This record gives sequence, structure tokens and C-alpha cells, in this order.
Amino acid sequence: DQQVKQNSPSLSVQEGRISILNCDYTNSMFDYFLWYKKYPAEGPTFLISISSIKDKNEDGRFTVFLNKSAKHLSLHIVPSQPGDSAVYFCAASASGGSYIPTFGRGTSLIVHP
Amino acid sequence: DAGITQSPRHKVTETGTPVTLRCHQTENHRYMYWYRQDPGHGLRLIHYSYGVKDTDKGEVSDGYSVSRSKTEDFLLTLESATSSQTSVYFCAIADKGGSYNEQFFGPGTRLTVL
Repeated sequence: DQQVKQNSPSLSVQEGRISILNCDYTNSMFDYFLWYKKYPAEGPTFLISISSIKDKNEDGRFTVFLNKSAKHLSLHIVPSQPGDSAVYFCAASASGGSYIPTFGRGTSLIVHP
Repeated sequence: DAGITQSPRHKVTETGTPVTLRCHQTENHRYMYWYRQDPGHGLRLIHYSYGVKDTDKGEVSDGYSVSRSKTEDFLLTLESATSSQTSVYFCAIADKGGSYNEQFFGPGTRLTVL
């Protein structure tokens, strides 16, 4: 049973436009959410995070939105660049649990020049 | 970049042979993790460690064992490799186990079991 779901395996966007990657979760105990970015033949790297006490966190071109009532978060990339082409993983963890994050299956983003 | 190395980076082995993958860190981080990444499955936790000689199982631990005799090294062993263990293996570290803490990942080991 997937507790963190990324329902879109892939997303294709034109350079300069907005990319929106979505993530849904089922465990109401999750209170911290992270996005990781992964290029081929490399390990994932941390991108941005958000605590459940917030509904938005911004870092440059990257913004994460959290809708707790819907158990939904999204990562917005504006404007998208070809270098953003990668696999994006959503992860969630619960401070009252083992702190081990649960990962989604990833969304492959392709940004076309 | 966090100092994490994995060795070997690539390995081809035969079914039934033992395999050990090594993760080495220079950050003195307490927490270390082994994940596998497979198409359609994302990152799945195999085992993790919260200190020297302190380890616990993840969601896909069957067929794998780990050891951590020093802070800097975390070994993953496949006692008798099977084709289903063909995967890309990532080690990760974290300085705290708290929820508000990101992990740093190694470059990965691509393992092929024939």
C-alpha cells in the first residue's frame, strides 16, 4: 500500500513554462515533506522541503505547496529550464514515528528547449 | 557536497554468489541508510543504521544483511544473490534522525545478477 503517491510517471514541459509535479499521501501522521531531484547515473539530491505548519515554501524558482486537508503537495518550477530535466521524488516523514522518510515512485520531468 | 562514496560502482555477479557493497562517509553522520531503486518502484529502504552496531530493517530487507562496525562504514551484504536483486543501490546519510532533516545520497552501485 503506497503511502506516498506520485501518479504521473512523466511530465513534458516547454522551456520557460511552469512545471507542476504532484504528490499525494495517505498517512495523516506525516508532518514533513521533501522533494529530491535525481539525474541519471547520480544519487538523489535534496531540493526543497516543507513542514506541515506551513502551506508554502519558496526557494528561487522552486515552490512547494502543501494542502493538508487534501493530503496533497505540489512542486512548482518557474520558469522551467532544460537543466531541470530529471526524476523528482516526493518524500514524507512523521516526527512521531521512526523519522524514516517514505518515498514516492518519482516523476520524470523533461523540459524541451 | 556531502562526502559519501560507494564501492564498487558497478558489479556483475552470478546467482548464488555472495556480494558486499560498501558505503563510506567522511561527514561523521550518525544515520546511514541503504535503498534500492527499481523502475516503477522509486526508492525503497532496505536497512538503516542509527549508530555503530545499531541497525534495523526497512521495507525490503529479505535477502539482505548489514553491518556497521565504524561510524564511517555501512556494509550491505547479499548472502546469496538472486536475479530479483538486480538493481541500483543507494546509500544515504543524515546527521540527525529527526523528521526535519534531509538525507544525502551516494552516487549509487549498479548491481547485475545473472
